[in-house]
Amino acid sequence: QQKVQQSPESLTVSEGAMASLNCTFSDGTSNNFRWYRQHSAKGLEVLVSIFSDGEKEEGRFTAHLNRANLHVSLHIREPQPSDSAVYLCAVRTGGYKVVFGSGTRLLVSP
Amino acid sequence: EAAVTQSPRNKVTVTGGNVTLSCRQTNSHNYMYWYRQDTGHGLRLIHYSYGAGNLQIGDVPDGYKATRTTQEDFFLLLELASPSQTSLYFCASSDARGPNERLFFGHGTKLSVL
Repeated sequence: QQKVQQSPESLTVSEGAMASLNCTFSDGTSNNFRWYRQHSAKGLEVLVSIFSDGEKEEGRFTAHLNRANLHVSLHIREPQPSDSAVYLCAVRTGGYKVVFGSGTRLLVSP
Repeated sequence: EAAVTQSPRNKVTVTGGNVTLSCRQTNSHNYMYWYRQDTGHGLRLIHYSYGAGNLQIGDVPDGYKATRTTQEDFFLLLELASPSQTSLYFCASSDARGPNERLFFGHGTKLSVL
């Protein structure tokens, strides 16, 4: 059964400093990875999707995938207070089952 | 943008009560999912379906039934609700046509079981 774990549980950064979030998964055949953002128990917003090893950038959000290390990360460049939210890593296996991590709560202080 | 509509948005019931959460998607996606979200657990998959009449068991299915009556409609049933089922429930759909398919989420249903 796929296990998806995120770290850290919570993170505080200053406005303008880089924020880095981590996600590990257990199924090396996983082929679809997404990072979502959620403000205060509201709907989920897709930030960046990545399907092969390497880097994928969407505006200020960059995902790095290393399937050999079972690791995908999210880096937020120049974070703003409006980026304060819960960030969720989602991993899809070949059977179309999508498993989420438990989330990282990010606080960006002015 | 695909539309996924959940109803009701909020629901309060008592222990032992019978609850049905509804989800409708309008883009004829084949896959639909029910998740629950609790603090410290992220989103956990309850049930999912790849078409009308189909049902697949997720990771936390105990106490829940689901039914996919049409391509558009997916229902989550709690026949004997318990306080442990107090949670925020999300429905999602996907066309699942390749490795880069994505989930489209509804706005969630907040369920409180007293």
